[in-house]
Amino acid sequence: AQKITQTQPGMFVQEKEAVTLDCTYDTSDQSYGLFWYKQPSSGEMIFLIYQGSYDEQNATEGRYSLNFQKARKSANLVISASQLGDSAMYFCAMREGDNYGQNFVFGPGTRLSVLP
Amino acid sequence: DGGITQSPKYLFRKEGQNVTLSCEQNLNHDAMYWYRQDPGQGLRLIYYSQIVNDFQKGDIAEGYSVSREKKESFPLTVTSAQKNPTAFYLCASSRGYLGTDTQYFGPGTRLTVL
Repeated sequence: AQKITQTQPGMFVQEKEAVTLDCTYDTSDQSYGLFWYKQPSSGEMIFLIYQGSYDEQNATEGRYSLNFQKARKSANLVISASQLGDSAMYFCAMREGDNYGQNFVFGPGTRLSVLP
Repeated sequence: DGGITQSPKYLFRKEGQNVTLSCEQNLNHDAMYWYRQDPGQGLRLIYYSQIVNDFQKGDIAEGYSVSREKKESFPLTVTSAQKNPTAFYLCASSRGYLGTDTQYFGPGTRLTVL
């Protein structure tokens, strides 16, 4: 079974509007971390935001926020005021457990295109 | 500036040749990783290392080898046994190996087999 599901292969958004990228995850661990990365056409993976499973507040980093719904196992990325430079692939990832030895699992990604 | 460097950016290899991809970090991170990414796909883990002189196979280790003789360096060798090595290779590191430890990535190496 897929541990990370991103159901939107591609998304379009108008410049300056907000957009939500979906991510659902599957784990039986109580402790885990959720991460979002941006991959522009250059290829580098850029870390955007982190949410811990015990964090009660949704994570925010500038224009990025994470809509964390633990009971639904969902960790959607919200980008406010989209910019042309936000056009890229976006990957959701999870790291399970608070013990050594747990690796990252990445979703298949969502390609976001920001329209002028 | 702290960060992760990978070289070369582009690499061309003839079939039957081994090639080594470089990954260096000056973040003082304990853990390092190698991923492979095929066009339009997500990342798949090749090898990882939690500490110097120790490394473990990831999901797709066949045809690859690594070493971790120094904390800063984690080179990946793509051997002739790797059947389809053309891909984008990303190196990453993290401070530790806990669930909260974020991975940071290098710029990647694009390998093409001619």
